[in-house]
Amino acid sequence: GAGVSQSPSNKVTEKGKDVELRCDPISGHTALYWYRQRLGQGLEFLIYFQGNSAPDKSGLPSDRFSAERTGESVSTLTIQRTQQEDSAVYLCASSFSRGGFWYFGPGTRLTVT
Amino acid sequence: AQTVTQSQPEMSVQEAETVTLSCTYDTSESDYYLFWYKQPPSRQMILVIRQEAYKQQNATENRFSVNFQKAAKSFSLKISDSQLGDAAMYFCAYRENSGGSNYKLTFGKGTLLTVNP
Repeated sequence: GAGVSQSPSNKVTEKGKDVELRCDPISGHTALYWYRQRLGQGLEFLIYFQGNSAPDKSGLPSDRFSAERTGESVSTLTIQRTQQEDSAVYLCASSFSRGGFWYFGPGTRLTVT
Repeated sequence: AQTVTQSQPEMSVQEAETVTLSCTYDTSESDYYLFWYKQPPSRQMILVIRQEAYKQQNATENRFSVNFQKAAKSFSLKISDSQLGDAAMYFCAYRENSGGSNYKLTFGKGTLLTVNP
């Protein structure tokens, strides 16, 4: 595709349920990033993937959060046992290389009721 | 740790007028990038302008320009001839250009810009 895509666009879930968010980066982009944007806040770094290297997971807020990426393709961010404080927009971005310029997806708005 | 501060949670401007959004940052690095991103209600983050720290000349993109003061660690965005389509949240962001963290963007909390007709 021409840009970074994310699905679903919006997700409403009940507290305690698991959710899976998907990011399709631009083809050929080796680097992929997940950020969280809470209402009225800036973007918080969650995780970074670079090719087949070990990801930087230092931003994941708890062990309920995990993310996977196979090679340079799709990434999924999984949140287990969702809590109300997980409500946010989850943004994905990709870049051609480490240190390259970023292209953002439209985000997934997660609402935990 | 690097921090980015946007001291104006909200700003407003009349259509066709000029507005300046403020951003300050804290870093001990000398080689880095600074960015302004625009996020309209569609949530799509759009790169407005970028500045490389080693370049003294201020970046300009059409109606958008920056005032980069490296010693003061200040990076303001000026929007000239404001248009209704400029209404959005604007984020200032920082990234190292080398070293172990050159993949990570650090964002400010944003400034919500309203453009009045």
